[in-house]
Amino acid sequence: AQTVTQSQPEMSVQEAETVTLSCTYDTSENNYYLFWYKQPPSRQMILVIRQEAYKQQNATENRFSVNFQKAAKSFSLKISDSQLGDTAMYFCARFKGAQKLVFGQGTRLTINP
Amino acid sequence: DTEVTQTPKHLVMGMTNKKSLKCEQHMGHRAMYWYKQKAKKPPELMFVYSYEKLSINESVPSRFSPECPNSSLLNLHLHALQPEDSALYLCASSQALGAREAFFGQGTRLTVV
Repeated sequence: AQTVTQSQPEMSVQEAETVTLSCTYDTSENNYYLFWYKQPPSRQMILVIRQEAYKQQNATENRFSVNFQKAAKSFSLKISDSQLGDTAMYFCARFKGAQKLVFGQGTRLTINP
Repeated sequence: DTEVTQTPKHLVMGMTNKKSLKCEQHMGHRAMYWYKQKAKKPPELMFVYSYEKLSINESVPSRFSPECPNSSLLNLHLHALQPEDSALYLCASSQALGAREAFFGQGTRLTVV
C-alpha cells in the first residue's frame, strides 16, 4: 500500500520564484522521520531536509523549508528564491517500521531561466 | 567523508552472465541498503543489512544475491537476469536502522540484453 503520496507529477517555475511541493503520508506511528530527497540528472539521491514528527517547529535549511501538519499528515516543501540548480526530481519519504525508507512517486521540478 | 561509492557506474550484461555490483562506505554506518529504481519511478527497497546480517529481503528473486562481507562493503551478485531487471541500482547506508538520515550512492545503471 502506498504510504507516501505526491500529487504533483511535474512543476515548472521561473528562476527566483518560490515553489511549494506537496506530500501526504499515512502512518499509525506517533514518532517518525520525514524527508525530502532531491535526485538531479546525476542520479544521486541527496537529502534536502528532514523533519522529526515529535518536533512542532518546521525544519528549515537555507532556502528550503517545510510545512509540517502532523494531524493532517501533510509535509510540503517550500523552495524560496529558486535557482537553476534546483531542477531535479524531488521525492518525499519516510521511514516505515524503522528499517524501510518509503518514497512517494516524485515531483519533477524544472526551474526556467 | 560522507560518501557512498558504487561501482561500476554503468553495466551492460547478457542474460547468461554473472556480474556483481559493489557498494562501499567509510562512515562507520552499520545499516546498508539496496534499492532498485526504474525510469521515472521512486526507488524500491530490495534488501537491508544491519550489522552485516540480512535484516530484510523484500521478496526479491534469487537471481539477485546480496552479500555483506564486512561493515564497509555491500555487494549485489547478479546471475541469469532478465531484460526487465534493467534499472538504476542504488546503495544507501545509515548509522543504524531507523537513523535520522540515509546516504545514497550515485547508483549503477544496469542494462540487461
